[in-house]
Amino acid sequence: DAGITQSPRHKVTETGTPVTLRCHQTENHRYMYWYRQDPGHGLRLIHYSYGVKDTDKGEVSDGYSVSRSKTEDFLLTLESATSSQTSVYFCAISEDYSNQPQHFGDGTRLSIL
Amino acid sequence: AQSVAQPEDQVNVAEGNPLTVKCTYSVSGNPYLFWYVQYPNRGLQFLLKYITGDNLVKGSYGFEAEFNKSQTSFHLKKPSALVSDSALYFCAVRDMFEGNNRLAFGKGNQVVVIP
Repeated sequence: DAGITQSPRHKVTETGTPVTLRCHQTENHRYMYWYRQDPGHGLRLIHYSYGVKDTDKGEVSDGYSVSRSKTEDFLLTLESATSSQTSVYFCAISEDYSNQPQHFGDGTRLSIL
Repeated sequence: AQSVAQPEDQVNVAEGNPLTVKCTYSVSGNPYLFWYVQYPNRGLQFLLKYITGDNLVKGSYGFEAEFNKSQTSFHLKKPSALVSDSALYFCAVRDMFEGNNRLAFGKGNQVVVIP
C-alpha cells in the first residue's frame, strides 16, 4: 500500500467550528488531492496540489481551503463547518498528472451536527 | 468536459459466474481510463488502467477490462467471481489534453457476489 496517512480518521464537530484534516505521504509524490465521497455522487474533487505552495480548485471547492507547505503534507480546512460538509474525505497522491494512477488514503469520516 | 457513467447501481452475481461491471465515458480528446475497488471503511485501490495500445487490459486480482473506442466503453470483467470480490467499484477517466490533471469518477457500482 502507498504510504498515505489521514488524520483524524473520525471526527464529530458542530456547525460553525473550524476543522482541519491532514494528509501525510511518504512517497515523495508531487501531486496530492482532496476528494469527498457522498452516496449517489461518487468522488468529487475539492482541491489539489501540484507542488509545495501550488494548489488549485476542484469542482466542489466552496467552503474549503488547502495548504501545502511541505511535499509530504496537504491540509484541508473547513473554515466554518456546515452540515452539508458531512462526508467522507479522501486524500490521494500521484507521481504525475497524466497516466499514473492516484493512490488513496483510508479516509476521514466527518460528521457536522 | 470529461464524465463517466456507471449505469447500474448494483450488480448481483453468483460465485463462480462471470462478473461484468459497465462503464461508459465522455471526453473531448482521447481518454486515460482507470478502475478502482473500494472495500468497507477503506480508500480506493487501483485495479487497472488503459492508456494506449492493446484494448484488453489485465489488472490485479484476475480482473481485466476492454477498451472500446467506438462505444466509448471500458467494462470491467472477471471470468469467475469470488465472494471476496463483493465491493464498490469505480470507473474514472482523464481527458488526455495538456494540463488536465483531474480525474472524473463515476458514481460507483456495488457488486454483490452470492455464495
